[in-house]
Amino acid sequence: GIQVEQSPPDLILQEGANSTLRCNFSDSVNNLQWFHQNPWGQLINLFYIPSGTKQNGRLSATTVATERYSLLYISSSQTTDSGVYFCAVEDSGAGSYQLTFGKGTKLSVIP
Amino acid sequence: SAVISQKPSRDICQRGTSLTIQCQVDSQVTMMFWYRQQPGQSLTLIATANQGSEATYESGFVIDKFPISRPNLTFSTLTVSNMSPEDSSIYLCSVGRLAEETQYFGPGTRLLVL
Repeated sequence: GIQVEQSPPDLILQEGANSTLRCNFSDSVNNLQWFHQNPWGQLINLFYIPSGTKQNGRLSATTVATERYSLLYISSSQTTDSGVYFCAVEDSGAGSYQLTFGKGTKLSVIP
Repeated sequence: SAVISQKPSRDICQRGTSLTIQCQVDSQVTMMFWYRQQPGQSLTLIATANQGSEATYESGFVIDKFPISRPNLTFSTLTVSNMSPEDSSIYLCSVGRLAEETQYFGPGTRLLVL
C-alpha cells in the first residue's frame, strides 16, 4: 500500500515563530488532506489539497504531486496551534476512497 | 461539510465485555469508515461500512471482533467485542460523498479497558 512519511516528528516553537511541516508519499494520490488534532482528540480539516497551493489565514499548504510531497506552513504561531498535524492520502490506484495517515507531527507552541 | 456525532464520547469498560459505538451524520453520505487511534499513534483504518451489506475489513481486523452495521446512509455502529486492555483507543468514524473529495471525522470515542 501507499506509504506516508511526515517530518519532523516533533517540533517546539516559540509563539510568533513560523514553521514548515512536510509530508512525503510513495505513489500518486487522488486526495491529500491535512488535519489538526487538538488536545481533546478532535480531528479538524485544514486543507484538501491533492495539488497546488491554498491559504487560509495563517496557514497555507502546497502539494507538488509530480514530486510526491506536500508542505504545510504555519506563520505567526499561537499556543492554540499546538497539537498533532496529520497528512492523509488516498491512493489513486486503490479506488476505495480510504485515507492512509502519516504518523503526524506533534507541535508545541510555547508562550 | 457534514456534522457528525458519536456516542458515547468516552467509556471505561471491563475486559471481556463489549461496547457499541454509534456514528450519526446530519445528511446522507456515500461512504462511512471506522478508524482506530491507539495511544500516541496515528489513525488506522478498521473497515468501510457498506450500506445494506457486510463491512469491508482491513488486514488485521475481523468481523467477529469489530462487527459493524450500517442500516442507512446516515448511521453506523461499531462494536468492540470481548475487549482487552489492548483495545484502549480512540475510535473515530469518518464520512465522505462521491461528489466531494473531503472526508470529515467525528469527534471520536475514547475507550479505556481495564
